[in-house]
Amino acid sequence: DAKTTQPPSMDCAEGRAANLPCNHSTISGNEYVYWYRQIHSQGPQYIIHGLKNNETNEMASLIITEDRKSSTLILPHATLRDTAVYYCIVRVASRNNNDMRFGAGTRLTVKP
Amino acid sequence: DSGVTQTPKHLITATGQRVTLRCSPRSGDLSVYWYQQSLDQGLQFLIQYYNGEERAKGNILERFSAQQFPDLHSELNLSSLELGDSALYFCASSAEGQGSGNTIYFGEGSWLTVV
Repeated sequence: DAKTTQPPSMDCAEGRAANLPCNHSTISGNEYVYWYRQIHSQGPQYIIHGLKNNETNEMASLIITEDRKSSTLILPHATLRDTAVYYCIVRVASRNNNDMRFGAGTRLTVKP
Repeated sequence: DSGVTQTPKHLITATGQRVTLRCSPRSGDLSVYWYQQSLDQGLQFLIQYYNGEERAKGNILERFSAQQFPDLHSELNLSSLELGDSALYFCASSAEGQGSGNTIYFGEGSWLTVV
């Protein structure tokens, strides 16, 4: 019962920006948008999260639309090591309900 | 390195047997989560513990059980193993608190092969 919709796969040229979209049209006001990635059979790696405002860290930028119904994860200069499955997750981070449910994600392939 | 430690990394066992997977959360984290990832399925949430108490339950089979100990480490017990239980089992942990969002950090997983 994932609350997000992502394209199953995307390609990106090495050195270019990778823009990964996510639709979360039923998001509630107290739900955060999280992004994780999983590089072949490794543990999922936290990338970034946000509530309303756009966020940036050393790995990526997260752009959330004003109505919060969709977001885009931006990897500014994709490298071959960024090839992975990227998961967009909406999650209530409250004391009594904060488990995380993964969907199918987007398989990003960075090509030379 | 996420700070979440899982043992063993690899385990091969026979059908019908019982195994225990162990997880040490990040220092200070009170919540522990268990996930299963099979080849033909995505990451499935199994169960969450917070400070020793069960907090949330997902798609966990009755043959599986978990617990969190006073030192906050957790164990996932898998019994009467079947071939279909072969999977990667991930443990994750998070701090508690509201407002900032509790980021969950994952370990590197335990590979279970049932033969």
